[in-house]
Amino acid sequence: AQTVTQSQPEMSVQEAETVTLSCTYDTSESDYYLFWYKQPPSRQMILVIRQEAYKQQNATENRFSVNFQKAAKSFSLKISDSQLGDAAMYFCAFERGGGADGLTFGKGTHLIIQP
Amino acid sequence: DSGVTQTPKHLITATGQRVTLRCSPRSGDLSVYWYQQSLDQGLQFLIQYYNGEERAKGNILERFSAQQFPDLHSELNLSSLELGDSALYFCASSPSVGGNYEQYFGPGTRLTVT
Repeated sequence: AQTVTQSQPEMSVQEAETVTLSCTYDTSESDYYLFWYKQPPSRQMILVIRQEAYKQQNATENRFSVNFQKAAKSFSLKISDSQLGDAAMYFCAFERGGGADGLTFGKGTHLIIQP
Repeated sequence: DSGVTQTPKHLITATGQRVTLRCSPRSGDLSVYWYQQSLDQGLQFLIQYYNGEERAKGNILERFSAQQFPDLHSELNLSSLELGDSALYFCASSPSVGGNYEQYFGPGTRLTVT
């Protein structure tokens, strides 16, 4: 079974600054995908970014980028130029390549943006 | 708007009762997933259906069951409800199975068991 660990229950960052959210995972699989989801106060789950394990290049989506360290089983999310709208819960998630058992989520990090 | 709809938005019921949550996937999506989000357990995968067939089971209790109908909508049935079943229940859909297909989440059904 896979496990996903987010060791930071809460993080705070000044608007326009950069923040990094940590995530580690444990698996014996070689084919898998990693995700960061955002859950704002509306509770809607929104996909922020996805990384394929077989790709060495780190994924980037506008102000969001990841640092994927496969050997260390680490998958951190960097948010640049933080905006008030980035305030939310952020969940790291894992899915096996075959998609046979859904997403496994970490417990989440609550991100606070200070104006 | 993800294109996934869930009804009802809110549900309040008593212990011991049975409820049905409904999910309509995005047009063209064949795969439906159910997740539970609670304070105690966090976000947990419950069950997945693909084109009408059960494909994967997660931490789903025996009191819970689901099905996917020929029109691809899905229902999650929760019976003999307990206080601990109070949670936000999400449905997600994707075109197929596997992590290379994004899962699109619905807005959730908030279940309160009193």
